[in-house]
Amino acid sequence: QKEVEQDPGPLSVPEGAIVSLNCTYSNSAFQYFMWYRQYSRKGPELLMYTYSSGNKEDGRFTAQVDKSSKYISLFIRDSQPSDSATYLCAMSGNTDKLIFGTGTRLQVFP
Amino acid sequence: SAVISQKPSRDICQRGTSLTIQCQVDSQVTMMFWYRQQPGQSLTLIATANQGSEATYESGFVIDKFPISRPNLTFSTLTVSNMSPEDSSIYLCSVNTGLGQPQHFGDGTRLSIL
Repeated sequence: QKEVEQDPGPLSVPEGAIVSLNCTYSNSAFQYFMWYRQYSRKGPELLMYTYSSGNKEDGRFTAQVDKSSKYISLFIRDSQPSDSATYLCAMSGNTDKLIFGTGTRLQVFP
Repeated sequence: SAVISQKPSRDICQRGTSLTIQCQVDSQVTMMFWYRQQPGQSLTLIATANQGSEATYESGFVIDKFPISRPNLTFSTLTVSNMSPEDSSIYLCSVNTGLGQPQHFGDGTRLSIL
């Protein structure tokens, strides 16, 4: 079993939809949680960063962490075609080593 | 956040040769990391590079195959040695500013081995 599980998609939604992206994990020591967005032929770009459980909002993006369920989510409101990319979850514990999900490919069509 | 530049952005190499990838950061950072991203797979950490000390390699990666240099706080290199087609991948450099801080990535080096 992988430490971090993420549905690879692809996920195809119409413009304006609310998108929900999720990851589950098995290591209860994880306490730092990140979402990255990766466009084709580019490196991962940090979208959201949270520590421990709770919600964090930044514009159209909301990150949720439920440590009791070992489950994290990223919500994208009013999705745009420019949001079409691969979304990677990542997490770490008390070291700098990041463990990544495989990424979910999202396509937002006009 | 730091601006990270990687060179080359892509290369096609012959089997058995070696390639050195450069990572330059626009500010001084303590920690630099090298990852491999293979199609359909997670980013996998190869090693952590601290200035002034030997790189720390993850399980499955060895110094003879992936020697790393970290001569100062803004620069690192990763060499992929004696390449085989299995080394075809994207190699990414990242940095952070401390434990628990998020990592920021360069755009990667796309490497194909013939």
